[in-house]
Amino acid sequence: KQEVTQIPAALSVPEGENLVLNCSFTDSAIYNLQWFRQDPGKGLTSLLLIQSSQREQTSGRLNASLDKSSGRSTLYIAASQPGDSATYLCAVAGNTPLVFGKGTRLSVIA
Amino acid sequence: GAVVSQHPSRVICKSGTSVKIECRSLDFQATTMFWYRQFPKQSLMLMATSNEGSKATYEQGVEKDKFLINHASLTLSTLTVTSAHPEDSSFYICSASPLVGRTDTQYFGPGTRLTVL
Repeated sequence: KQEVTQIPAALSVPEGENLVLNCSFTDSAIYNLQWFRQDPGKGLTSLLLIQSSQREQTSGRLNASLDKSSGRSTLYIAASQPGDSATYLCAVAGNTPLVFGKGTRLSVIA
Repeated sequence: GAVVSQHPSRVICKSGTSVKIECRSLDFQATTMFWYRQFPKQSLMLMATSNEGSKATYEQGVEKDKFLINHASLTLSTLTVTSAHPEDSSFYICSASPLVGRTDTQYFGPGTRLTVL
């Protein structure tokens, strides 16, 4: 059974800092991995999707990497801004539907 | 493009009543829609997968008679919480996978906050 773990559970950083969010999964037989953003009481916004054959994806200040063999992904956020404050969820798709981690709650302090 | 809406966004009901939540893909057709439930500070848990024109597939531990799912068209799926109780209070989120294009992608709705008194 696929399990997804995100570390840390919460993170508070000053504005401008670069940061890394971590995601690990137990079953490396995945199709893809996605990073989502969720604002309080809101739905999910897809940030980046990495196919199993890819190593990384970039969008603006965001860079996501995938190491399938070790079951790990990282989301790198450059030059963080207060508007980046949200919960970031990692989800993997494999033989089962999307399995989500519990998320990392990020606060960027101005 | 690829917008999914949910209605209502928030509902409060009395214990024992039934609540219907709609999930619509606004600008694409979706053969498959998914229903998730999210408790505070927890991850999204898949409840069921619904395919247009067929019965939904429920995840283990989800009561199919309590959470009725209907996927009547390629743009609409409904979740009805029957005889709701306070423990059913949660954030319900749907997602939809497009019929064409990025079929491996799920587009998520904004969620429905259900509070059962």
